[in-house]
Amino acid sequence: AQKVTQAQTEISVVEKEDVTLDCVYETRDTTYYLFWYKQPPSGELVFLIRRNSFDEQNEISGRYSWNFQKSTSSFNFTITASQVVDSAVYFCALSPNTGNQFYFGTGTSLTVIP
Amino acid sequence: KAGVTQTPRYLIKTRGQQVTLSCSPISGHRSVSWYQQTPGQGLQFLFEYFSETQRNKGNFPGRFSGRQFSNSRSEMNVSTLELGDSALYLCASKSQGAVTGELFFGEGSRLTVL
Repeated sequence: AQKVTQAQTEISVVEKEDVTLDCVYETRDTTYYLFWYKQPPSGELVFLIRRNSFDEQNEISGRYSWNFQKSTSSFNFTITASQVVDSAVYFCALSPNTGNQFYFGTGTSLTVIP
Repeated sequence: KAGVTQTPRYLIKTRGQQVTLSCSPISGHRSVSWYQQTPGQGLQFLFEYFSETQRNKGNFPGRFSGRQFSNSRSEMNVSTLELGDSALYLCASKSQGAVTGELFFGEGSRLTVL
């Protein structure tokens, strides 16, 4: 079975604080891909990052960083020095190599307060 | 490069009616997927089309159907609408060779069933 869990439903932080969004996944596939998407109020999901199951290197892109830990089946996302524009719903997703279906978590709504 | 275009953006229907939603993928993308997003269920996979063939189907009743045309444009149809069908319907496209590639989403069609 494939499953993605984002336990944090809503998070509020004050601008310039760091915030980590948690993502835990379940899969029996040995090859799979993990994604993070951002959904602003307009509704369109915007791709942020893709990581395959064989690459556990952490990645940093500007204020964004991702921590992939296979041992704990987690793929957490950290925003450093948050800004109001970061306010959105963030989704973690899993795509097993055996199919073309994406499995999404229920999302974490992030509000950055100025 | 134009993004994924969905029409209509908003629509209101009554129970028992049927609705057709349209999606034009990014030029060159032959894979089109549909997702239903509701506050309670998050993003749920409906189906995926590739080269006019349905490759994968989610766990939705037969009232939900789709098709893809030779130009990769896709439509989804919901017949005998129920109140619970009120949702944001998102279309996503993916490039041909990218089994593991990211999905590119449209802004969605927001359906309200009264």
